[in-house]
Amino acid sequence: NAGVMQNPRHLVRRRGQEARLRCSPMKGHSHVYWYRQLPEEGLKFMVYLQKENIIDESGMPKERFSAEFPKEGPSILRIQQVVRGDSAAYFCASSPLAGGLDTQYFGPGTRLTVL
Amino acid sequence: TQLLEQSPQFLSIQEGENLTVYCNSSSVFSSLQWYRQEPGEGPVLLVTVVTGGEVKKLKRLTFQFGDARKDSSLHITAAQPGDTGLYLCAGGSQGNLIFGKGTKLSVKP
Repeated sequence: NAGVMQNPRHLVRRRGQEARLRCSPMKGHSHVYWYRQLPEEGLKFMVYLQKENIIDESGMPKERFSAEFPKEGPSILRIQQVVRGDSAAYFCASSPLAGGLDTQYFGPGTRLTVL
Repeated sequence: TQLLEQSPQFLSIQEGENLTVYCNSSSVFSSLQWYRQEPGEGPVLLVTVVTGGEVKKLKRLTFQFGDARKDSSLHITAAQPGDTGLYLCAGGSQGNLIFGKGTKLSVKP
C-alpha cells in the first residue's frame, strides 16, 4: 500500500515564476492537508481539502497561493510569482477521516528553492 | 491560540542512555500525535494518544498523555543511534494540526 506521494521532490524556480507542487494521498484517503516548514521553524498548517472542496484555508497566504483537489488526479498547491521567502519544504498529508482523530500521514515533501 | 512547546530543543546522549522529551500546552487537545522526522524526509507517525492518562508503548518508546490532555511525554529506554532524529508532537482538531518545534535528538555510538 503506497504512502503519500509528492512530486517533484526538489523544485528550483526563479523569482516571478510559478511553482506547482503535486500530492497523491494514500489509497482510500479523501482528505488532504498542506503544510510548510521554513528553515529552523516548525510545520505550519496551510490548507485542508477534500475532493473538489476547500475545507479550511486559514493558513494560506492571501495572495499568490492556491490549492485544489480535483475529483480525479492529485492535489495541487500552486504558488504564483514566487519570491525568495517562499523557499521552504512543503509537505502534504492525508487521512481517511474528516477531522476525527487527526491522524495524518505525511509525504516526503517538496523542497522549493527560489533563486 | 493553541501552542505546543517542546523541550528540550536539543538533546545529545550516548547509546544506551534513557531520555524523556516533553510536549506542553496551556490548551486542551482532543488527541496528540508524535512524529519522527529525519533530514530531507517527511514526518513519520509514531503514535496517537487520545485518552487523558493514556500510556502507549512502541518497543523502547513509551508515550504518555497527561490527565488533563494538555501535555504529553515520550520516554526512550536504552537509546540507539537509529533513534536519532527530530521528534515532533502535534495536536489539533478539524484537520488543522498544530506542531511543536520539535526536539532534535542525537544518539552517539
